[in-house]
Amino acid sequence: DAGITQSPRHKVTETGTPVTLRCHQTENHRYMYWYRQDPGHGLRLIHYSYGVKDTDKGEVSDGYSVSRSKTEDFLLTLESATSSQTSVYFCAISEGGDTEAFFGQGTRLTVV
Amino acid sequence: EDQVTQSPEALRLQEGESSSLNCSYTVSGLRGLFWYRQDPGKGPEFLFTLYSAGEEKEKERLKATLTKKESFLHITAPKPEDSATYLCAVLWNSNYQLIWGAGTKLIIKP
Repeated sequence: DAGITQSPRHKVTETGTPVTLRCHQTENHRYMYWYRQDPGHGLRLIHYSYGVKDTDKGEVSDGYSVSRSKTEDFLLTLESATSSQTSVYFCAISEGGDTEAFFGQGTRLTVV
Repeated sequence: EDQVTQSPEALRLQEGESSSLNCSYTVSGLRGLFWYRQDPGKGPEFLFTLYSAGEEKEKERLKATLTKKESFLHITAPKPEDSATYLCAVLWNSNYQLIWGAGTKLIIKP
């Protein structure tokens, strides 16, 4: 299995609080991604990174920010959590932008 | 609008009963089509990448094929452990963002 660790695995937070999810990889892959997965929807890309300090927005980036200060770590921050951000969040990594991605185990976030 | 549609949404088969899952797409400039398997409570697991029409890939009981507008995942003589949700995703020319289908939930009954 690709070395991807997401933390925390589960989190319950209150509306309006900031939340940070962490993705750590040991594969030295250049690309890292944050997705959310909701019932009835395909995976939707929030943000991705193509190198240290290089990030770009995905399809559903509003309300989310990311940072990548080291190759191995990609952080996703919800500045002020809302109930619509209740979801399962997946981190993924890939060697290239057009190669297969490997996924972490996911973080289940509940905003109450 | 670029779209990826998977059908059926759910499929129940008896063990040993072969079938196919469909992934149709409307994007232009396909760069690659990816198949993944997802078990409950886990992240998607990579199965195949297809890059051009006519290409086929096989792994155990699974075979993926690609045409200009769709891909099929053929499952031959499935076993209960093949039960999972199968996802397809398309990478197209404009950027490195995959477009994902909603998945097909496959249930294989013993």
